[in-house]
Amino acid sequence: GQQLNQSPQSMFIQEGEDVSMNCTSSSIFNTWLWYKQDPGEGPVLLIALYKAGELTSNGRLTAQFGITRKDSFLNISASIPSDVGIYFCAGLRGGADGLTFGKGTHLIIQP
Amino acid sequence: DAGITQSPRHKVTETGTPVTLRCHQTENHRYMYWYRQDPGHGLRLIHYSYGVKDTDKGEVSDGYSVSRSKTEDFLLTLESATSSQTSVYFCATLAGQEQFFGPGTRLTVL
Repeated sequence: GQQLNQSPQSMFIQEGEDVSMNCTSSSIFNTWLWYKQDPGEGPVLLIALYKAGELTSNGRLTAQFGITRKDSFLNISASIPSDVGIYFCAGLRGGADGLTFGKGTHLIIQP
Repeated sequence: DAGITQSPRHKVTETGTPVTLRCHQTENHRYMYWYRQDPGHGLRLIHYSYGVKDTDKGEVSDGYSVSRSKTEDFLLTLESATSSQTSVYFCATLAGQEQFFGPGTRLTVL
């Protein structure tokens, strides 16, 4: 089955740095979602994108829905220790379909 | 809080035994999903339900069955567990175009 190509696989950064990660696909999605997962917990929705070209912010997080509908990126500005975790992109073709996930970006922040 | 609980949260079982995982939601959402999460694979869809008694297969449905007799409960059954089904299982519900996840069940098949 198809999965999204998410990169980078892991990031080691200093506290206060900005972070950027992205997802690409060979096919079109109508909705892009970004989740964060902490150890031992389920994914928590951060940002949802519904229109090609849409740029959406949630606090220090900014995400964009690529104009081709085949990609999305997530930026985190001024990282803090609680940003540590695994970030997943997910694409949705139809409203009630299951999500197609990327393999995740593991964010590690060094104080 | 998406109002989703999963039980059990952890289970260890032996190969060949039947296992049932339960997902319970309090938000009266029509659509419910079961995913599994494995290292190197992210989350993959097993089965989903679009209403009471209405279910369909996902990407990795072999070896799994589901049932939904009430809106609030979605059960995932492994008829005869295998070691390849050792995984973390997540339930999700759909609100609008956004899926919200439960806390997961860690299943180990020895």
